[in-house]
Amino acid sequence: KNQVEQSPQSLIILEGKNCTLQCNYTVSPFSNLRWYKQDTGRGPVSLTIMTFSENTKSNGRYTATLDADTKQSSLHITASQLSDSASYICVVSNQAGTALIFGKGTTLSVSS
Amino acid sequence: DADVTQTPRNRITKTGKRIMLECSQTKGHDRMYWYRQDPGLGLRLIYYSFDVKDINKGEISDGYSVSRQAQAKFSLSLESAIPNQTALYFCATTTSGGAPDTQYFGPGTRLTVL
Repeated sequence: KNQVEQSPQSLIILEGKNCTLQCNYTVSPFSNLRWYKQDTGRGPVSLTIMTFSENTKSNGRYTATLDADTKQSSLHITASQLSDSASYICVVSNQAGTALIFGKGTTLSVSS
Repeated sequence: DADVTQTPRNRITKTGKRIMLECSQTKGHDRMYWYRQDPGLGLRLIYYSFDVKDINKGEISDGYSVSRQAQAKFSLSLESAIPNQTALYFCATTTSGGAPDTQYFGPGTRLTVL
């Protein structure tokens, strides 16, 4: 069964600290993996997209990694800011693009 | 102006009523999607359309129907709403280019069925 598992479910960190969110998937055949940021009550916004051949991609303070062999991805946030408080969602697409499997998300709270 | 708009943003209705949620996009994308999001669950795909004449069922299509009136418009209907359809509904668009493209989401419609 195609699944995307994220950990931790929630995380609280102090402003300025770094953190890493994890994503494991069993989607096959694999096409690409996406990380989204979703603020409360809003639609998800794309942070990164990685294909099978890419193992890292950055977007400002956000850096995503992908290990297609172990089917794991991580999202690293550097020097966190209060505005980083949101849900971070890992999404895996199959090769046909007909299925986007969403993880349940990690809720990040950044406190001052 | 927002690239993907949804109307209404909030709706409260009663069991058995017919409801239509509308989505419009100015991205010029050919692919459009409807998702629902429930607390503690990931987004789940209801229907998707790769072109005006193309409609496909997603993971949870029962109780829903869609219409792709134009490339820019994709509406979702609940023929007879029931309480467990209470959720946050998102429309999204993307393009069918060779490389995976960003999927753009609308602001969401919060639907409550009493």
